[in-house]
Amino acid sequence: RKEVEQDPGPFNVPEGATVAFNCTYSNSASQSFFWYRQDCRKEPKLLMSVYSSGNEDGRFTAQLNRASQYISLLIRDSKLSDSATYLCVGVNSGYALNFGKGTSLLVTP
Amino acid sequence: NAGVTQTPKFQVLKTGQSMTLQCAQDMNHNSMYWYRQDPGMGLRLIYYSASEGTTDKGEVPNGYNVSRLNKREFSLRLESAAPSQTSVYFCASSENTFYPDSPLHFGNGTRLTVT
Repeated sequence: RKEVEQDPGPFNVPEGATVAFNCTYSNSASQSFFWYRQDCRKEPKLLMSVYSSGNEDGRFTAQLNRASQYISLLIRDSKLSDSATYLCVGVNSGYALNFGKGTSLLVTP
Repeated sequence: NAGVTQTPKFQVLKTGQSMTLQCAQDMNHNSMYWYRQDPGMGLRLIYYSASEGTTDKGEVPNGYNVSRLNKREFSLRLESAAPSQTSVYFCASSENTFYPDSPLHFGNGTRLTVT
């Protein structure tokens, strides 16, 4: 079982919708998390870091729930350009990076 | 500022052939990594180098060797390619090894097919 699990989707949403992805992690010692975005046939790029208090960047909000061991990514007012795969990454106490398999998002006109 | 540069972008090998994937970063990062990405498997760490002069195995090191040539460059070598090594390979770098506040910066990837 992977340490970081994501719903692979795909999530199909209309433009302007709000969409949320969850990512669960099994290692309670995981210290921090990242969300990466990966466009088709491109490299992953850092979207945002997630710390204990969560994080917000424009239309994107990331939350961390340590009690239930999951993090979430909320995208408001979805744009066509948000279509991509979103990778959840956990960092445990050994500083090993654990990548989820990714959640696919398709925003349609 | 180029970031992380990988070469080649595409490669086709026959089973048993060898090749070296090159990676260079210009961000003065201490740590460098090689990942492979396969459908349904996500990103898996092959090898990493915490700092110049050190290398360590990751999750899937078998069939690969690496060299940290200097602070900028980290190469991945396939000595005898196998079809199971058909994948997309990403080089990445970070300021420090796996440090929580030190996210990875990825290269553009190398698409390798082994026939």
